[in-house]
Amino acid sequence: NAGVTQTPKFRVLKTGQSMTLLCAQDMNHEYMYWYRQDPGMGLRLIHYSVGEGTTAKGEVPDGYNVSRLKKQNFLLGLESAAPSQTSVYFCASRPRGTGHTEAFFGQGTRLTVV
Amino acid sequence: GEDVEQSLFLSVREGDSSVINCTYTDSSSTYLYWYKQEPGAGLQLLTYIFSNMDMKQDQRLTVLLNKKDKHLSLRIADTQTGDSAIYFCAGSGTYKYIFGTGTRLKVLA
Repeated sequence: NAGVTQTPKFRVLKTGQSMTLLCAQDMNHEYMYWYRQDPGMGLRLIHYSVGEGTTAKGEVPDGYNVSRLKKQNFLLGLESAAPSQTSVYFCASRPRGTGHTEAFFGQGTRLTVV
Repeated sequence: GEDVEQSLFLSVREGDSSVINCTYTDSSSTYLYWYKQEPGAGLQLLTYIFSNMDMKQDQRLTVLLNKKDKHLSLRIADTQTGDSAIYFCAGSGTYKYIFGTGTRLKVLA
């Protein structure tokens, strides 16, 4: 059981380039999330999805787009990368439920924009 | 908006207890969580507490919740070097978690 898998693990981009980060989960979870982690700022929510075909903005959505065409995949796109987007990106998923549900995280993607 | 704050660093000696604190502004979270992040890895769930509880104990971990002050704490008894990591508190709403800034715990041998 792979859990949550992110690709790539590392990437260096030049300012203005575009790229897509892929998150795949094999746990049939309804909810998926993209966070960025920066020193001293913790995890900040970029976008999230509550089901296939749906997406919503988080705290810091500007400069990013997302798509959830298949339930198991959540893609994060950077159309024109900026140095301010240098960060570690984490994807997470969890099942739908009104009770306690645990979020499962990928290993992260370290992105550097030069 | 929702805000979750933690102190950034904590250093303790091996064998001592560690107490990591968290304050939050949104009291609507049904559950409050503690996650652990080891170097180069994603976050893993440590423990959680239901919002109508005051305390939860789980082996070496004790979670205290003061709803009046909107304060959550995590106590780790007999702290070991393997406990060195970043600890995040988080509140959960209907759809999403909001994470704190994280506390980096360093355990000195």
